[in-house]
Amino acid sequence: DQQVKQNSPSLSVQEGRISILNCDYTNSMFDYFLWYKKYPAEGPTFLISISSIKDKNEDGRFTVFLNKSAKHLSLHIVPSQPGDSAVYFCAAHPYNNNDMRFGAGTRLTVKP
Amino acid sequence: DAGVIQSPRHEVTEMGQEVTLRCKLISGHNSLFWYRQTMMRGLELLIYFNNNVPIDDSGMPEDRFSAKMPNASFSTLKIQPSEPRDSAVYFCASSNLQGDKNIQYFGAGTRLSVL
Repeated sequence: DQQVKQNSPSLSVQEGRISILNCDYTNSMFDYFLWYKKYPAEGPTFLISISSIKDKNEDGRFTVFLNKSAKHLSLHIVPSQPGDSAVYFCAAHPYNNNDMRFGAGTRLTVKP
Repeated sequence: DAGVIQSPRHEVTEMGQEVTLRCKLISGHNSLFWYRQTMMRGLELLIYFNNNVPIDDSGMPEDRFSAKMPNASFSTLKIQPSEPRDSAVYFCASSNLQGDKNIQYFGAGTRLSVL
């Protein structure tokens, strides 16, 4: 049962443009949402997160938007850089609960 | 802190052999997670522990898989007997759950190939 879904397995954008990665979830108990970034031969690393009490969180070039009514979140990267090329995982968990679920990942390629 | 340490980084074995993957948590973390990454399913949660106690092992594929935390800083994932379909990258992660925030820190993974 995929509670967190990333329906786009891959995305390709030009350097300097915006990258938008999408994620949908089904579990209404999810309270905290995270994005992880993974380079080849490395483990995923935490990128940015958002609590369900917010609808936007920004950290430099990275912004996460949360639409609770649609059970949808997105990650915006502006401007995109070649070093951003990686697999991005969306994840979510309920409040005060370790049971975190991950999406299948989206491979982002930023072309110079 | 050295982060989450997994060993070995690569494991090649023959079908039917026992495989043991190892993980050292970040000091002070109280939760430990084992994941498996495949092309089809992405990151699957296999099992997680809080304070050395297994909380949810519903993701463990079958009885051939077992995981232990003999102490607060170390865990093993064992596959016995191994099968070719177990070939994947296995990650462990640790965290220190704080209210609404659960940021997990991952090891570099163990790439398992079962021939």
